[in-house]
Amino acid sequence: EAGVVQSPRYKIIEKKQPVAFWCNPISGHNTLYWYRQNLGQGPELLIRYENEEAVDDSQLPKDRFSAERLKGVDSTLKIQPAELGDSAVYLCASSLEGTSGYREQFFGPGTRLTVL
Amino acid sequence: KQEVTQIPAALSVPEGENLVLNCSFTDSAIYNLQWFRQDPGKGLTSLLLIQSSQREQTSGRLNASLDKSSGRSTLYIAASQPGDSATYLCAARTQGGSEKLVFGKGTKLTVNP
Repeated sequence: EAGVVQSPRYKIIEKKQPVAFWCNPISGHNTLYWYRQNLGQGPELLIRYENEEAVDDSQLPKDRFSAERLKGVDSTLKIQPAELGDSAVYLCASSLEGTSGYREQFFGPGTRLTVL
Repeated sequence: KQEVTQIPAALSVPEGENLVLNCSFTDSAIYNLQWFRQDPGKGLTSLLLIQSSQREQTSGRLNASLDKSSGRSTLYIAASQPGDSATYLCAARTQGGSEKLVFGKGTKLTVNP
């Protein structure tokens, strides 16, 4: 079974440029997460989707960040315009949520963003 | 607000040694706690998940324990190997409202041959 897929793996852009990250979750997983991990820190949640609905986007900087999860499967996270402080690893995770089950989250390899 | 702390930040041990990594959390109202491994430049690999009603979980040479009342979890690694070298992160799943994983900063483990 394929894991969480993310692309690209690496991205280098100039500040003020736009950038987009793509995530394909594990098949059948209804919940998708985007996290940001700064160097030497643990990941921090940006947004959580249950199916197509963003149920927690309280940590998403909405002035420059946007996300979508069309048809409740793949998701795209966009930054426009990027700032130097956005340099980080962007991780996508998925889980199968419900009234039962362990709600274990599985992570993709991440996209390492460098803003120059 | 849930806060997760991992001590020590870094640990270096000789091959074959048994070791314990520590994780503490401030809010005991958690749904579960997950331990992850992260290799340099890689994503997170889930190692063990402990439900709030459980006391421990085991997988191979790994054993994770959970004491909600004291806000602590430990990851025990038996007979460490150089291949165990990585950063280990724990994350507490909060309950109710904004359910999410709150991560510690990790413990960087080096196992020397």
